[in-house]
Amino acid sequence: QSALTQPASVSGSPGQSITISCTGTSSDVGSYNLVSWYQQHPGKAPKLMIYEGSKRPSGVSNRFSGSKSGNTASLTISGLQAEDEADYYCCSYAGSSTFVFGTGTKVTVL
Amino acid sequence: QVQLVQSGAEVKKPGASVKVSCKASGYTFTSYYMHWVRQAPGQGLEWMGIINPSGGSTSYAQKFQGRVTMTRDTSTSTVYMELSSLRSEDTAVYYCATTTVTTNWFDPWGQGTLVTVSS
Repeated sequence: QSALTQPASVSGSPGQSITISCTGTSSDVGSYNLVSWYQQHPGKAPKLMIYEGSKRPSGVSNRFSGSKSGNTASLTISGLQAEDEADYYCCSYAGSSTFVFGTGTKVTVL
Repeated sequence: QVQLVQSGAEVKKPGASVKVSCKASGYTFTSYYMHWVRQAPGQGLEWMGIINPSGGSTSYAQKFQGRVTMTRDTSTSTVYMELSSLRSEDTAVYYCATTTVTTNWFDPWGQGTLVTVSS
């Protein structure tokens, strides 16, 4: 199972919007609406930000949104804030109780 | 609330084994599946496998099959991950995280356990 492909880095100025892509295959992202996104600050455990492609857990800002088209999922952060600077990982269910993570994207707030 | 507390950091020599624990609280232990995810220094997250605490059934990522064993102790609500034949590339932070029968996302996560493999 190969890792899902994410851009290594994305940057934006405060207040701007950025989008992180997550490209998989027809065996994972393309087959299931089960992509989740995680935010990870240095030295911390990952935090769930989006599940089932576009749903936000309670407590997560509505500045975070998710979508999917074909084999590619996307995470959009609108109104970028300094606290959003972190690493972001997508994850997809891949069948037979297995999961695959993305390669990770470092978000920098300029 | 659901909480996962992992065991402390370990230092092991190449060829040895390590066993990391993850103690769950705040919910019915057998109602949540437990996963293990690792992260090498400066690298991304890597899914290792899943254990169903209810019956003990497991499923491992192909990369780790033959080297990883996940077990549970229902009397203490604890899940264990043992990795054998350690090599330097296994140096990483190991996390436990839960999903349920109806969810396929990881929440919450344990705090992580650093395993260092060094001669």
